[in-house]
Amino acid sequence: DTGVSQDPRHKITKRGQNVTFRCDPISEHNRLYWYRQTLGQGPEFLTYFQNEAQLEKSRLLSDRFSAERPKGSFSTLEIQRTEQGDSAMYLCASSLTQGIYNEQFFGPGTRLTVL
Amino acid sequence: AQTVTQSQPEMSVQEAETVTLSCTYDTSESDYYLFWYKQPPSRQMILVIRQEAYKQQNATENRFSVNFQKAAKSFSLKISDSQLGDAAMYFCACRYGGSQGNLIFGKGTKLSVKP
Repeated sequence: DTGVSQDPRHKITKRGQNVTFRCDPISEHNRLYWYRQTLGQGPEFLTYFQNEAQLEKSRLLSDRFSAERPKGSFSTLEIQRTEQGDSAMYLCASSLTQGIYNEQFFGPGTRLTVL
Repeated sequence: AQTVTQSQPEMSVQEAETVTLSCTYDTSESDYYLFWYKQPPSRQMILVIRQEAYKQQNATENRFSVNFQKAAKSFSLKISDSQLGDAAMYFCACRYGGSQGNLIFGKGTKLSVKP
């Protein structure tokens, strides 16, 4: 499978616990994006990387959230001290820099439930 | 603020018929790209069709076409000869700022296809 993959697909945790999600982009893609999608809403941008550099962060990304992309390959998104409001689908997407469209290819998402 | 609005939370179409999903956007930028994404139940989001703002010609991809009205800031999706597999959430999205930047999504329209 050469698409974007995410792990785990589902995560249930108790409030206050830390969770970490992983995203593996399409191998030649140098851009990687994280979005959050809550029920009944469209995806909302969280942050994006070009290679290993984190170039933009949304105001939605509170200080409990941190994202990394070591070596410009896979990325991790960590949420510390989870809250019930963090329950959502977390989507990862990747794209190339070149080309006018820079089409973003999405992974299947990680569904987080905070009890 | 840059926004994308989908005013139809749900739509229904008979198999083999045509349906149009509405989308409006608000931006003061001149350089942007518009997209329609499809998100089937429990499956990952895939790109349906895309349009550059500077192109007057409406994009077409097989049974999918758009009606891009730049002055009205409208970008509707027409699905012809609807099939059962077209049933999904459809999201309109906009990317500003040339080749960089995240996607801004609407809230989505849930399309049902009746046999």
